[in-house]
Amino acid sequence: SQQGEEDPQALSIQEGENATMNCSYKTSINNLQWYRQNSGRGLVHLILIRSNEREKHSGRLRVTLDTSKKSSSLLITASRAADTASYFCATDAILAQKLVFGQGTRLTINP
Amino acid sequence: DVKVTQSSRYLVKRTGEKVFLECVQDMDHENMFWYRQDPGLGLRLIYFSYDVKMKEKGDIPEGYSVSREKKERFSLILESASTNQTSMYLCASRSPSGGAGETQYFGPGTRLLVL
Repeated sequence: SQQGEEDPQALSIQEGENATMNCSYKTSINNLQWYRQNSGRGLVHLILIRSNEREKHSGRLRVTLDTSKKSSSLLITASRAADTASYFCATDAILAQKLVFGQGTRLTINP
Repeated sequence: DVKVTQSSRYLVKRTGEKVFLECVQDMDHENMFWYRQDPGLGLRLIYFSYDVKMKEKGDIPEGYSVSREKKERFSLILESASTNQTSMYLCASRSPSGGAGETQYFGPGTRLLVL
């Protein structure tokens, strides 16, 4: 069963706007990771947030984690056309010994 | 720089053929993974390996097998390809430090079409 569920499935915004994607999960985790996939390519790791962290930044990316609600959000600020991609959350559930990926959010940045 | 390579970007095979998908990583990672990715289903884990000659079934191992004879190479084998195995196949590797969930590095993917 899927651990991470992402919302929305698709998001289309204008260049320069902020994009927010959400991920919910079901069981306790060690960490949660966000990955990006350009069309027809492999996934690239963006950021990892541990269960004892609430917020993390990397450049234009901001990730929050709320373990009480079992949810995370990825915010991309000042979006660019090059940010067009699919974004996946992946959870490292306690005792699972593997990452479980959500179905992804397809983000389109319109110039 | 970290690198995971897959033997083919695109592959077309016929039903019943035996298919080999190769993955090589140059990071001396002990853990390697094979996923398939289908629209609406996300990434699903087929098999993974924690070390040479070790393999573990993932969520959807039926119809697949794997081989890990060398640390840097992890092969996915479709014993008798079927049309429902048409998919994007992604290989990944991971450093074992810090537990099972640290960053995974992905190859570019192999898009397989079974006719």
